[in-house]
Formats: sequence, C-alpha cells, structure tokens
Amino acid sequence: DIQMTQSPSSVSASVGDRVTITCRASQGISRWLAWYQHKVGEAPKLLIYGASTLESGVPSRFSGNGSGTDFTLTISSLQPEDFATYYCQQANNFPITFGPGTRLEIK
Amino acid sequence: QVQLVESGGGVVQPGKSLRLSCAASGFTFSGYAMHWVRQTPDKGLEWVALIWFDGSNEHYADSVKGRFTISRDNSKNMVYLQMNSLRVEDTAVYYCARDPYSSAWRFADYWGQGTLVTVSS
Repeated sequence: DIQMTQSPSSVSASVGDRVTITCRASQGISRWLAWYQHKVGEAPKLLIYGASTLESGVPSRFSGNGSGTDFTLTISSLQPEDFATYYCQQANNFPITFGPGTRLEIK
Repeated sequence: QVQLVESGGGVVQPGKSLRLSCAASGFTFSGYAMHWVRQTPDKGLEWVALIWFDGSNEHYADSVKGRFTISRDNSKNMVYLQMNSLRVEDTAVYYCARDPYSSAWRFADYWGQGTLVTVSS
C-alpha cells in the first residue's frame, strides 16, 4: 500500500497569511493526487485533483503543485473560512490512501 | 445540484451487522462510480470501498475486505454498504462520495454529510 504523510500536522496562521502544506507519498504516484478541505460537521470538499487542477468553484487562492512523491498545497492569502483540516489523497492505485491531515488554526 | 444522503448508522454490538444506505440525486447516478469513506477522530479519513458505475467491479480497503460489501441499485439511485462482523475499530462517521468517472478516477468530487456508526458492547 502507498503511505501518505503530511507536514506540518498542525499550523497556526493569521488572516492574510500565505500557508503551504506538504504531502509525501511512499512511492511515485505521478500526478494522481487530490486535496480536500474538511470542516467539523460538514462534508469534505474537493479542492484540487491531478495534483494541480482546481476543482470548479474553488477560489484561486488555493493552488497545488508537485509530481512523483512530493506535493504541496498553498493558500496564498488566508481567509476566515479557510480554517479547517486539509487532507491529501493518492489516486494512483488501490487501496486509495489519505494523509493524516493538517489542521489549520487561527493564530 | 448533486445530493448524497446517507442513512442507517447507529449503535451496534461487536460481531453484529449493519447496512448503510446512500440516496443520490441531482446527477445521472448510473454514470458514476461511488465510494464509501470513513472518518475517525484519531485516524482521520480512511477510504473503505468503491464500486464501478455498473456494479461490475468493486475494491476494498484491507481493513474491511471479507467483512464489508458495497453494492448499488441504479434503478433506485442508491448505493449500500453491508457491514458484517463489526469491530470496535469500525466506529466512525461513514461518508458516501461520488467519483467523477464511471470506472473510477479514484478520488471524490461530491460527498454526503455522513452517518455515525458506533460499535460498542
């Protein structure tokens, strides 16, 4: 199985800050990577797929990059509604696996 | 708009069974693969199972293989998760989610609100 790791596990930031979350796969997954935002009590939301393709309706302050084993999710200017937990997920093969999540908190 | 509504969660004893249901609307259900994904406070999101658009192919996480079965009824726009031999570690919120492709691109573009399953004696 492909193991996914994320760093940091949590981060505190302020509105307007730029934040980058890193995701690493235990083996190469080309660009088969998705990013999700999850708020407590809500359905997870797809942000990015194919490592860098923004899902329809997602603000352009979100961006993704990477290929192979190393990937990043960047939020260019944090907004109040962005405070949530973010997960990466490999879509290269079965079983599908998620990273452990990065909790983004208000400073 | 796409809607996915899960039901069937509850409290169940270890070793017992439970069947979750997911009602889909707002899209051509028979054209998409469907996932079940669960979330626990300590383990985050964990993918559980996937079924192709026509039910011809299924995939499972190792942790549920042989105990859980995913199925669908395209005439009713429903997807199911039959969970047998439940364990305490199966306690989670279970989400139904849509794959953007019929034979699975292996990620999910729409998710339901989830249903809570608690396995406890």
